[in-house]
Amino acid sequence: QQPVQSPQAVILREGEDAVINCSSSKALYSVHWYRQKHGEAPVFLMILLKGGEQKGHEKISASFNEKKQQSSLYLTASQLSYSGTYFCGTPLSGGATNKLIFGTGTLLAVQP
Amino acid sequence: EPEVTQTPSHQVTQMGQEVILRCVPISNHLYFYWYRQILGQKVEFLVSFYNNEISEKSEIFDDQFSVERPDGSNFTLKIRSTKLEDSAMYFCASSLRLAGEDTQYFGPGTRLTVL
Repeated sequence: QQPVQSPQAVILREGEDAVINCSSSKALYSVHWYRQKHGEAPVFLMILLKGGEQKGHEKISASFNEKKQQSSLYLTASQLSYSGTYFCGTPLSGGATNKLIFGTGTLLAVQP
Repeated sequence: EPEVTQTPSHQVTQMGQEVILRCVPISNHLYFYWYRQILGQKVEFLVSFYNNEISEKSEIFDDQFSVERPDGSNFTLKIRSTKLEDSAMYFCASSLRLAGEDTQYFGPGTRLTVL
């Protein structure tokens, strides 16, 4: 039931772009994106509510396609600080829930 | 900026012992959560807490686990009789509104090692 992320891992050079995908076999009410560095807590990046919206924060943006039950995270002109594991999370049972299920994770390594 | 805090940062215990992990959520938040992350794996939901009671829990959260908000600021996770497989990073999180609609802010975590 957990969301599936792809790719599992990606290695980039500084300045390159990356796309991380999150898909679910169940309807998505909202999608939450987090980044976790090794040994640290997950840090919130953004939340997307249903409606096919796209959100952005500087060079990191995301889209949410409710019909396709998927979300994508776009990292543009990657920086060394972008390295970490990216998780998508979703309340699989709808919006009126406190249970956030996280995806399998995507390890991103940005090299100089 | 307000943040979630957790203590201790690292707890080592013997199998069968009880442990209490402590969290101080962001002060105006109403929803509180515990998550677990076994080394190298994804973050797993344990329990959510609202209005002084458990609102949802996962299958991991069995009778060995309990949560409490003993006062207006602390939120605790108790494991009554620890097992080796309880070794993991435990994260507390809080949000102002329902998880499905709002951001959850995570604390720095407590690394629990069961020997």
